[in-house]
Amino acid sequence: KAGVTQTPRYLIKTRGQQVTLSCSPISGHRSVSWYQQTPGQGLQFLFEYFSETQRNKGNFPGRFSGRQFSNSRSEMNVSTLELGDSALYLCASTFQSGGDQETQYFGPGTRLLVL
Amino acid sequence: SQQGEEDPQALSIQEGENATMNCSYKTSINNLQWYRQNSGRGLVHLILIRSNEREKHSGRLRVTLDTSKKSSSLLITASRAADTASYFCATRGGANNLFFGTGTRLTVIP
Repeated sequence: KAGVTQTPRYLIKTRGQQVTLSCSPISGHRSVSWYQQTPGQGLQFLFEYFSETQRNKGNFPGRFSGRQFSNSRSEMNVSTLELGDSALYLCASTFQSGGDQETQYFGPGTRLLVL
Repeated sequence: SQQGEEDPQALSIQEGENATMNCSYKTSINNLQWYRQNSGRGLVHLILIRSNEREKHSGRLRVTLDTSKKSSSLLITASRAADTASYFCATRGGANNLFFGTGTRLTVIP
C-alpha cells in the first residue's frame, strides 16, 4: 500500500495570507489526524477527523480548521497566517478511530514558512 | 498539559553501544508508543506498550513501562549509524489523539 502523502511538501507564505494543506491517508484508513511541530512547542495535536466528522480538537485558535472528504482525504486550512505558524505540519492516518491498539502512520509533512 | 518529557534531550554514543532514553508523562494512559523521526521528516512508529504490560521487545528495541512512576524507557541495543534520529514517546489517553514528549536526539557515531 502507498503511504500517507502530503502536499505540498514546502510552502512559503507571508503574514496575513491563508494556506491549505492536503493529506491523503493510507487506502482503507478512515481516521486522519493533524499535528504541528515547532522547535519551541514540539509536536502538538491539532485535530482528528473520522468519516468526515471532526472527532477531537487540540488547543489551537479558530484560524486553524480542517475537513475530511468522503474518500478520507483531509485538508487543513490556516487563515490570517502569523509568523508563529511557521512549522512542520504532519498528517497521520489510522484504520479506525478509538481502538487503543491503533498506531498512527505519518506522512512526510508540509514545511510552512511564514515571512 | 499531558505532554511528556524525555531525558536526555540529546545523546551521543559510539556505534555498537546501547542507547537508553527515558520518558515521563503526567496522566493515566491506555498505551504508550515510541516513534522515530529522521531530520524533520514524518514519524515512524517503533513499538507500542499497553498500560497493563511492563516490558516489550521488538528486534533491537526493548521498552519498559512503569505506570506507578508514569515513566517508560526505550533501549536500543547494538546501535548503528542508521539509528541516528530523534525519538519521541507518545501517550494515548481517553481521547484518540496522541500526546508527544519533547524528544531525545540520538547521534550514533560510526
